[in-house]
Amino acid sequence: QQQVKQSPQSLIVQKGGISIINCAYENTAFDYFPWYQQFPGKGPALLIAIRPDVSEKKEGRFTISFNKSAKQFSLHIMDSQPGDSATYFCAAGRGSTLGRLYFGRGTQLTVWP
Amino acid sequence: DAGVTQSPTHLIKTRGQQVTLRCSPKSGHDTVSWYQQALGQGPQFIFQYYEEEERQRGNFPDRFSGHQFPNYSSELNVNALLLGDSALYLCASSLTGNSYEQYFGPGTRLTVT
Repeated sequence: QQQVKQSPQSLIVQKGGISIINCAYENTAFDYFPWYQQFPGKGPALLIAIRPDVSEKKEGRFTISFNKSAKQFSLHIMDSQPGDSATYFCAAGRGSTLGRLYFGRGTQLTVWP
Repeated sequence: DAGVTQSPTHLIKTRGQQVTLRCSPKSGHDTVSWYQQALGQGPQFIFQYYEEEERQRGNFPDRFSGHQFPNYSSELNVNALLLGDSALYLCASSLTGNSYEQYFGPGTRLTVT
């Protein structure tokens, strides 16, 4: 059973546009929600993370929006650049599992110049 | 400051054989988690090691085992390899007390023929 559901599977955005990737979860015990970026042949790199006590977190061009009541969170990439073309994964973790992360299936983002 | 390193980069094994993968955590980190990433999927948690002991385990059979050494480096062993074990094996390190903030290595690509 997929604990974290991610959409869309693929996304094509024009340079300068906004990329939006969505994730949903069922387990209300989750209390940590990171986003990872992965380039081909590389391991996932931690981009940004949020805890459920805040509704939004921004770091540079990357913003996480969190909706606790809807059990959804999303990644917004502002002013998308060709260098942002990669696979993005959302994940979730809960305190009782001491750092185990449950990942979504990923979104392949392509930014056209 | 060295990040997470893994060896080897690539490995080809025959069905039924055994394999050992190695991981050195990021400097200052004491916890190592292992994940399996099948092609086109998100990482799946295998297990986590802290203080040389397996602290938690995902839904993987006993053919998957591990070890952590006093210097916090870790090994993942897989016995009786199956074709379905072909995947990218990722090591992630973190610091106890902040186990969610996991930093991944580049992975070992295992191909079972």
